[in-house]
Amino acid sequence: GENVEQHPSTLSVQEGDSAVIKCTYSDSASNYFPWYKQELGKRPQLIIDIRSNVGEKKDQRIAVTLNKTAKHFSLHITETQPEDSAVYFCAASITTGGGNKLTFGTGTQLKVEL
Amino acid sequence: DAGITQSPRHKVTETGTPVTLRCHQTENHRYMYWYRQDPGHGLRLIHYSYGVKDTDKGEVSDGYSVSRSKTEDFLLTLESATSSQTSVYFCAISGLTDEQFFGPGTRLTVL
Repeated sequence: GENVEQHPSTLSVQEGDSAVIKCTYSDSASNYFPWYKQELGKRPQLIIDIRSNVGEKKDQRIAVTLNKTAKHFSLHITETQPEDSAVYFCAASITTGGGNKLTFGTGTQLKVEL
Repeated sequence: DAGITQSPRHKVTETGTPVTLRCHQTENHRYMYWYRQDPGHGLRLIHYSYGVKDTDKGEVSDGYSVSRSKTEDFLLTLESATSSQTSVYFCAISGLTDEQFFGPGTRLTVL
């Protein structure tokens, strides 16, 4: 089955700096890659996703890049703010248009320091 | 948040007792999922459903069963709870697109 590795496990940045979280996946058939943000005691919230036919996607201060050849994808957060502090999870799945079994990475604890 | 509720939100039980967790959605989405979240493991899929009475196993299905008799409800049952099943359980739903949306979670402690 699919295996997703995520690094680093913890990341501390100064407010205003950029943060990068990296994930690798094992199944070359995977074609859907979402990122979730989870604040302490809350549910995971989808923040951005990318599909295998796209190399990069941006949404304001958040961007995700995908390298299918190397089987890795990354989350980039620019101009970090204290409210970005949370645990971030990457995931991968094979989807055929509705319904997919996500395999998650183990998470990155991001701390944005003032 | 998508219309997803989970009940109970917290439960403490003893080893060997049966436990049922409920996920209820008001979005009329076809797909529903149960995940567990443990430190160092992220979220792992237990079971999922692709329609009423249609379910399949996920990565960590041993010791769990599910049922879906209505579109809006997906039940997760631990037939005989063990301490290794102490975890936070999240339900998720998805519709015609691939995005999955999570419920608020149930914290289960098995003593």
